[in-house]
This record gives sequence, C-alpha cells and structure tokens, in this order.
Amino acid sequence: GQSLEQPSEVTAVEGAIVQINCTYQTSGFYGLSWYQQHDGGAPTFLSYNALDGLEETGRFSSFLSRSDSYGYLLLQELQMKDSASYFCAPRDGGATNKLIFGTGTLLAVQP
Amino acid sequence: DTEVTQTPKHLVMGMTNKKSLKCEQHMGHRAMYWYKQKAKKPPELMFVYSYEKLSINESVPSRFSPECPNSSLLNLHLHALQPEDSALYLCASSQEAFPEAFFGQGTRLTVV
Repeated sequence: GQSLEQPSEVTAVEGAIVQINCTYQTSGFYGLSWYQQHDGGAPTFLSYNALDGLEETGRFSSFLSRSDSYGYLLLQELQMKDSASYFCAPRDGGATNKLIFGTGTLLAVQP
Repeated sequence: DTEVTQTPKHLVMGMTNKKSLKCEQHMGHRAMYWYKQKAKKPPELMFVYSYEKLSINESVPSRFSPECPNSSLLNLHLHALQPEDSALYLCASSQEAFPEAFFGQGTRLTVV
C-alpha cells in the first residue's frame, strides 16, 4: 500500500521561514518531488530529491531522509505570492512514471 | 515551448452525453498523465501513458476512456458520467522516468 502525510495547513508571516513535512510509505521509492499549486492554477514543479540531504533552489530547499521515509520543503523569506498548496510526490520505482501526490499543505502567508 | 495545452477549459455535460477532453504537448515528452482533482484535495492519478501505450490505470471506472493517438496528444473520452465526477481534470507530461512533470491548466468539468 501507499500512504503520504503532510500537515493540512500552515500559517506564517512575510519574511519568515516555514517547513512543510512529508512522511511517506510506498511500495517502491525512487525520489521525492515537491509541487506548488495556487488556487485555480496548475501544479508546478519545485524540486526533487533522489538522494539523502538538502537540495537548494533559491528561496526553496528540499530535504530527504530515505531511512526515515521523510522529507521536507523549506521556504525562506516568505512572500505573499507563496500562499498556495504544496504537495510532496514520491516517484515510484523509476520506469513506471507513477507520480502520486501527498495530501497537500495549504500555506497562508500573512502580512 | 514548455506548455501543456488542455481544451476545453470548462465543460458542462449531462449524464447521457459523450464528450472528450484533449491535451497537447510539444516538448517531446514520452510520458503523459491524466489526473482528477476535487476542491481542496490533491490531484488523483487516473492514467499514465508511456511511449503511447497505457502503462498505469488506477482502477478508473470504464466511463473514462483514455486514448493516446500520437506522442503529442492525449484524450480522455467521457461517457455516462455521474455528478460526483465533476472535478478539475489535469493533464501532465514528463520525460520518461524523469521527476519533473508539466501540467496543463485543466478542464473544469461539471456533470448535471
């Protein structure tokens, strides 16, 4: 079976740092992606971790611990435009292209 | 061109109608996906095509019928839908076994 857990909502203020956690249980695991989706918009790719450790892309960083089946997305210097839903998405076993989304975290950035 | 184009943007159909959703990409991606998304829920995987062959069907009811006529096009044929099938239908594409998927803006479907 497969289970993915994220906090349902997070609230933070502009300029702050926020961490969105993801725990996963999958039958096969190749890596962990993160996607952002604004209300009414399409999901857009943010980052990917295939190996343990931190990947940094501008204000966004993503971390993976394969042994703990755990990852997180770190958003720094929060801006109002970061208000969106964030999904972790483990990728199954390489060749199967099975991209399943986590439960999602709604981030509200306040002034 | 990093766009995935979906048509129509909005669709209202009766339960006895037959309609099709269309998706097109010109990025040379060989994996294409259909997702269904209800309000305030994550996208739910329905089908995956790999090199124009259906590789994953997530136990989707037969009233949804996917088709991949060529490497750039993906269709979703709809027949005898139920009101609970009303949702946003998202198409996506990616390079084969690559983590970054590109999504279209979706078709907002209402079944009446």
